[in-house]
Amino acid sequence: GQQLNQSPQSMFIQEGEDVSMNCTSSSIFNTWLWYKQDPGEGPVLLIALYKAGELTSNGRLTAQFGITRKDSFLNISASIPSDVGIYFCAGQAAGNKLTFGGGTRVLVKP
Amino acid sequence: SAVISQKPSRDICQRGTSLTIQCQVDSQVTMMFWYRQQPGQSLTLIATANQGSEATYESGFVIDKFPISRPNLTFSTLTVSNMSPEDSSIYLCSVEGARGADTQYFGPGTRLTVL
Repeated sequence: GQQLNQSPQSMFIQEGEDVSMNCTSSSIFNTWLWYKQDPGEGPVLLIALYKAGELTSNGRLTAQFGITRKDSFLNISASIPSDVGIYFCAGQAAGNKLTFGGGTRVLVKP
Repeated sequence: SAVISQKPSRDICQRGTSLTIQCQVDSQVTMMFWYRQQPGQSLTLIATANQGSEATYESGFVIDKFPISRPNLTFSTLTVSNMSPEDSSIYLCSVEGARGADTQYFGPGTRLTVL
């Protein structure tokens, strides 16, 4: 079946830094979604992308739908402590099923 | 987006018992989904809950273990049957967005621990 490779698996942020994560696939997707999950909560949709090449922002978050339709990235600018959490990408090909990446755990630098 | 609630939010159950998880949405939706998130892992789709017909299960999930009901367009239940410690996970329902199932919104999840 389809698989999404999400990297990095984890990262440390320092307040004010810009951070980036990405997802790649061996197959084409029609939709890319980015979610954030806080401990004890369900995933919250951050950004949805529906067209190849689309670049969309939501506050300090920016995501792009790769032109090949096989990848997407999410950038967080000027990170703050509440950016800590797990970020998941998800893609949809044909049909209704979403395929999720393995997640990027964002932690604060000690 | 729709407001989604789940009950219970968490539970601790004994091996061999069953637990039914409820998912309630504040507006009518065509598509509802159930996911499992094992500890430290990503989300895996269990099944699509279809109103008025049997749920559609993904590979590796069967109706006898995870029976699903969908009596109307705002409500669904997932039962985890004959539980074992391997069933300890977060169970999440999701619903389609306004433009369809290519955008999904999640409930808060049910954290299940099986002893």
